[in-house]
Formats: sequence, structure tokens, C-alpha cells
Amino acid sequence: ETGVTQTPRHLVMGMTNKKSLKCEQHLGHNAMYWYKQSAKKPLELMFVYSLEERVENNSVPSRFSPECPNSSHLFLHLHTLQPEDSALYLCASSPEAGGLAGTQYFGPGTRLLVL
Amino acid sequence: RKEVEQDPGPFNVPEGATVAFNCTYSNSASQSFFWYRQDCRKEPKLLMSVYSSGNEDGRFTAQLNRASQYISLLIRDSKLSDSATYLCVVNENSNSGYALNFGKGTSLLVTP
Repeated sequence: ETGVTQTPRHLVMGMTNKKSLKCEQHLGHNAMYWYKQSAKKPLELMFVYSLEERVENNSVPSRFSPECPNSSHLFLHLHTLQPEDSALYLCASSPEAGGLAGTQYFGPGTRLLVL
Repeated sequence: RKEVEQDPGPFNVPEGATVAFNCTYSNSASQSFFWYRQDCRKEPKLLMSVYSSGNEDGRFTAQLNRASQYISLLIRDSKLSDSATYLCVVNENSNSGYALNFGKGTSLLVTP
């Protein structure tokens, strides 16, 4: 399935590096999301974009910086991360945010390791 | 953020068995409910929405009890391919309207 794609699939970075995660959806959806999935923890919603406007920011540290240039693309810029930021970062999209937000389509994720 | 609680399992059941998972949520203002399935090292995928009157999709039946604030998923005639983690998801009525709250998941292993 190629509805939502993410690159890179794996990333190892040092704490002083700057990197970016990319997500692209080919479903014509209007809402896009970033989630963090750590071992033994539930999925944590990080950011929500609806029609390229950020509508939710769940107290995420500023070392994570999202960007949504259009409704099909979403980036997560990473800067001076900590080892505890190592996790699976999942991108998702849905037709709309709000009431239909539960019908989400996820990308395969980027598995991030911060050394 | 309000909690969504699930028994992590694992639930080990033989092929053909019936298995049920429960999920409780703490926010009584929650609006909509879903079950997602996540295979090992894969992304979550929507299994089914949960409607107030209960709903069925093949071997899967989902039920909602708003009074007790729990959601259930019943799987009949388990298949080996049902082995996965099942995530309970609640769409809360937050100020922004966009809050999706995931449980940690219940792990199911169906054995031959």
C-alpha cells in the first residue's frame, strides 16, 4: 500500500545533528498528523495539521519542529534531540480532522535512534 | 490527557477460539471510538469503528457501553493471521476537537 509514505524508514543521529522526516499522502486527505510510538507506551499525538494549518500541538519540545507546505506533505524537523527521543515516528492522514479523525491512515513510520 | 486503558495481554488462544478484549476510557465526553490493529513492526491500521448500537464485521464484533465507559472487541473463530496488537482509540471532545487518544494495546497470539 502506498497511501501514506515516509522517509527515511530508519535514522540514526547524534544529539547535535539536524535531520528531517518526510511524510507524503496520496489519498487527497485534508488532515495530517505526527505521532510518537515508544516501547511500552501508547501512541502519543504530537501535531495535527488541517488544510496546512497547525491545529494541535501537544506540548511537544521545541527540538521537534513540524512543517506542512501543502496538504499532501508533512515534515518533522529534528534538532538537538535526546536519547529518550528514540522511537518510531508515525505519520497519518485522515479525510478531515475533528469528527472523522479516527479514520486515519498511517505511514510505515521512521524508526529513529538518537545516540 | 485522559486515559484509555487496555489489558496488555498477551492473550494466547488456539485457532478457532473466541477471544474478547475490553478497553475503558476516562473521559465521559468522548465522541467516537475505534479499534486499530498493529502487526509487529508495522503501522496501525483501522480495524473497525465502534457504534453506539454495536456493530459486526465478519468475525469481529465491537460494542460500546457509554454508561460504564468501556468498549469491547470480540473475535470469533480466531485465525493465525489475527495475531497482532489491538489498539483501542477514543476521539475525545477536546477544545480543539482533534484529540485522538490511543490505548497501549492488547497483544493477541493465535496458535495452531
